[in-house]
Amino acid sequence: DVKVTQSSRYLVKRTGEKVFLECVQDMDHENMFWYRQDPGLGLRLIYFSYDVKMKEKGDIPEGYSVSREKKERFSLILESASTNQTSMYLCASTKGVSRGYTFGSGTRLTVV
Amino acid sequence: EDKVVQSPLSLVVHEGDTVTLNCSYEVTNFRSLLWYKQEKKAPTFLFMLTSSGIEKKSGRLSSILDKKELFSILNITATQTGDSAIYLCAVESKGDSSYKLIFGSGTRLLVRP
Repeated sequence: DVKVTQSSRYLVKRTGEKVFLECVQDMDHENMFWYRQDPGLGLRLIYFSYDVKMKEKGDIPEGYSVSREKKERFSLILESASTNQTSMYLCASTKGVSRGYTFGSGTRLTVV
Repeated sequence: EDKVVQSPLSLVVHEGDTVTLNCSYEVTNFRSLLWYKQEKKAPTFLFMLTSSGIEKKSGRLSSILDKKELFSILNITATQTGDSAIYLCAVESKGDSSYKLIFGSGTRLLVRP
């Protein structure tokens, strides 16, 4: 059974902390994505990566960075967490010719 | 700017009712339209539509795409309480190097017994 695993289900961090959200997939997918989901706004794309060490900005990249050192792992980094980054973060992956995206279970981040 | 708009934002129905969820889009380099169901956790895949006028069906759920008018509908017949969820519409757009999904805000469906 294919899987996208996000390391934390719930996370509480303080304002100004550096936060790492990890995502690992075991399907040998080239493409990986980070979204945040907020009520009434749906899923918004933060960053995506189509290959190791490659990254592209999504619609709301400000305040975030990413790292893709290995094909199976895509990390989202909040350099200095702020309260407006409190959200549900979803990671997804897909092969180049998509048949639907596989999502992780999400990380609910609260910044206090 | 690419956008995907879903309506209604929320819907409350009784078991047995039929519902229609709408999704319109304006996206460059359209590749496909996808529907997802999201309950407590990760969105789960329902349908992928690439061609106009061809209905996709899975049990009580069905969906169709109109690429001329740039919209899709998701129908659920004989609704059950287990259909209560957020239904997400997403359009896949092809860029130079890869693909990305652009999501609508979702429709929150509540089915009352």
